[in-house]
Formats: sequence, structure tokens, C-alpha cells
Amino acid sequence: QKEVEQNSGPLSVPEGAIASLNCTYSDRGSQSFFWYRQYSGKSPELIMSIYSNGDKEDGRFTAQLNKASQYVSLLIRDSQPSDSATYLCAVIDTGGFKTIFGAGTRLFVKA
Amino acid sequence: DVKVTQSSRYLVKRTGEKVFLECVQDMDHENMFWYRQDPGLGLRLIYFSYDVKMKEKGDIPEGYSVSREKKERFSLILESASTNQTSMYLCASSKQGAGDYGYTFGSGTRLTVV
Repeated sequence: QKEVEQNSGPLSVPEGAIASLNCTYSDRGSQSFFWYRQYSGKSPELIMSIYSNGDKEDGRFTAQLNKASQYVSLLIRDSQPSDSATYLCAVIDTGGFKTIFGAGTRLFVKA
Repeated sequence: DVKVTQSSRYLVKRTGEKVFLECVQDMDHENMFWYRQDPGLGLRLIYFSYDVKMKEKGDIPEGYSVSREKKERFSLILESASTNQTSMYLCASSKQGAGDYGYTFGSGTRLTVV
């Protein structure tokens, strides 16, 4: 069974701090990795994708990938109360069709 | 604004009823997916389709079927609704080669079976 593991949280950070969200995956052949944000009662929305080892930055968000360690992370700089949500890590399996989602990490940003 | 539209936001059905959940996308995406999301269990794949009239079972297909007669429309059918199918149902679509693009989700249908 291919798995994506995340700490369920909640992760609580003060406004302006860096929030660090982590994810590990079991399918060593996976090539595509995503972070989705899901507000309470809403559907997930794609915020970051990463395919190569290293860092990818987009505004206040940085995704980090280490395929050797099978580890993906998301950093949110200058966290805002509006960033409070559940963050889902997602991995495309080796076959290339199916996305495996982690159960999500709940983030609270305190004003 | 590109969109995945699910026909109902909230739905209440009786046990044993046949239930149809509709999903339409306007992005000309090849791939479409149905997930259910339950607290503590995350997103679980029910069925997916990578082309018109094609369908593949996901991880939890029992009690469900799907139909994709047109590229833009992917329907989920609960053959005989049961209380354990009470859940949030999410439709998603992606371009062929989903690894490059990720998913666009609909707003979800919260189904309650009584």
C-alpha cells in the first residue's frame, strides 16, 4: 500500500513566523509532488508543485523535495491568520495516473 | 475562470435510494476523478477516468459506479445508498500527464444518507 504520511497537527505558529509542514512518502518511483490548501468546509486548492530535488519558491511559499529521503516539505514565511487551513501533501504514484494524498496537517496562525 | 462544477452542495437521501452525483469541467481536461473525504481518513479515490467512456477503479469502488459519456462530464452513482456512504464527495480534473499540473477540485457535495 503506497502511503503519504503527514503529522496531523495542529501546528500553531504566531503571525509573522515561519510555518514548516512536512511529508514523507513510500513510493520511491514517484516523480511529482504537490501541496494543496483546504480551508474548513471548502475543497482543496493547489498551491505548489515540485518535481526536482531542491527548493522551489513562489511568493511566501517554498516547497522542498529530497527524493533520496522520500521527503517533501512546505515552508510558509511571514505566516498570516488567513493561512490557517489544512495542508495536504500529494504524490503522483509511479503509474502516473493516481494521486495519493496525505491526511493533512492543520495549521493555526495566531494573530 | 476555469471551473469544476458539482451539481449539488448538500444532498440528503434515504437508505436504498439510487443517487447520482454530477460533475462538469470546462477546462477540456482528459482526466477526471471522484474522491470521498472523511475525518481522520483523508481523501480516498473511488473511481477515475482518463478518457471518454473509460473508467478505472480506485481504492474504494464498492457500492459505487461511474459514467463518462462526454469528456466534460463524470457522474458518480451510488447504486443503493447506505448510511456508511455519508461523506463529502469531491470531483477533480486534470490534464493528461497529471504529473505536470495537479488537480482542480469542485466545491464538493456533502451527502447525508438517512
